[in-house]
Amino acid sequence: KAGVTQTPRYLIKTRGQQVTLSCSPISGHRSVSWYQQTPGQGLQFLFEYFSETQRNKGNFPGRFSGRQFSNSRSEMNVSTLELGDSALYLCASSLPSEKTQYFGPGTRLTVL
Amino acid sequence: GENVEQHPSTLSVQEGDSAVIKCTYSDSASNYFPWYKQELGKGPQLIIDIRSNVGEKKDQRIAVTLNKTAKHFSLHITETQPEDSAVYFCAASIRKYSGGGADGLTFGKGTHLIIQP
Repeated sequence: KAGVTQTPRYLIKTRGQQVTLSCSPISGHRSVSWYQQTPGQGLQFLFEYFSETQRNKGNFPGRFSGRQFSNSRSEMNVSTLELGDSALYLCASSLPSEKTQYFGPGTRLTVL
Repeated sequence: GENVEQHPSTLSVQEGDSAVIKCTYSDSASNYFPWYKQELGKGPQLIIDIRSNVGEKKDQRIAVTLNKTAKHFSLHITETQPEDSAVYFCAASIRKYSGGGADGLTFGKGTHLIIQP
């Protein structure tokens, strides 16, 4: 069974731009969570989607948003990029009613 | 909200020796505690997890213990091998849902485990 896939793997943007990252969960997984990983703050929870609804949200500004499609694929969007948004963005998926989350390889975003 | 502390930040052990990484959590409502291993350039990989109704769980060379009263849990790796070198993260769930869906995880800052040949 294929794992969680994320596209693109690497991305370079400039301040003020916006970016959209994509995540395809493991087949059959309906919950998708997003995390930001930086050397300073570590791994931080952004938000979680289940059945196209955002169910849980971390402590990030409104510039960070997401959505989930009917096939469980998810996208996250960051608007008005700041230098501090440079990070590895990780997506994780899980089965309904299961707590175990499986992570993808991440998208490395660099903001110049 | 939940807060997870992880120690040590770096751990160097001789190949074949045991390694122990410790975490504490603040929210007594947390009931799920996974451990992840992250290698360079890769996403975190789940290696073992434990739920609050269990005190210990083992999987070959890896074991996790949980002390709910003290709110701490530990990862034990025995007979360490070079391929165990990586960054290890502990985590705790912060919310609970009925009817499906994953809870957001709060992670510790990570432990860089170095296996010396």
